[in-house]
Amino acid sequence: NAGVTQTPKFRILKIGQSMTLQCTQDMNHNYMYWYRQDPGMGLKLIYYSVGAGITDKGEVPNGYNVSRSTTEDFPLRLELAAPSQTSVYFCASSPPGAAHEQYFGPGTRLTVT
Amino acid sequence: QQPVQSPQAVILREGEDAVINCSSSKALYSVHWYRQKHGEAPVFLMILLKGGEQKGHEKISASFNEKKQQSSLYLTASQLSYSGTYFCGTEIPNSGYALNFGKGTSLLVTP
Repeated sequence: NAGVTQTPKFRILKIGQSMTLQCTQDMNHNYMYWYRQDPGMGLKLIYYSVGAGITDKGEVPNGYNVSRSTTEDFPLRLELAAPSQTSVYFCASSPPGAAHEQYFGPGTRLTVT
Repeated sequence: QQPVQSPQAVILREGEDAVINCSSSKALYSVHWYRQKHGEAPVFLMILLKGGEQKGHEKISASFNEKKQQSSLYLTASQLSYSGTYFCGTEIPNSGYALNFGKGTSLLVTP
């Protein structure tokens, strides 16, 4: 049982490049989330999904896209990377319903230069 | 709206106690607490629910005042392993129970 895995761990992108951050969970959780964490700012919700085929925007979705074709995978796509997207990205999952803990992946540290 | 945490940072000697506070301008139905060590992912500590139910860590306690829209995390007899950044989170309405996290409280426990 690996929990939530993310790849890559680190990445440097040039301005305007695109990439996909991968996230996979093996706990059969319906709910999945993408957060970004900037120094001193806590975590901000980018996108979330309540099940395969269902995704919706969070607080800071601009410049990102997601898909959820399976229960296990929830990739995050960055199009036309900008320096403002330099951040640490965390994927998380939880069982359905209220009052459940979220299980976080190890994170992807992205630098856009 | 992002919950507000205080203090921003705390330095303790091993064995001392600390309280971390979290407040919201909106009605709260639950408050979640996570701890993050440097370079690692946040790790779940506990959830406090409206009505007084708690789920989580055995060695850390917390309170939830629904009327004041506040929660406090109590770290007693601190250990070196308690060092890290503590975040409270409140559920974002209609967002699959995603969390709105505070900016965090940095806790350093020294020998």
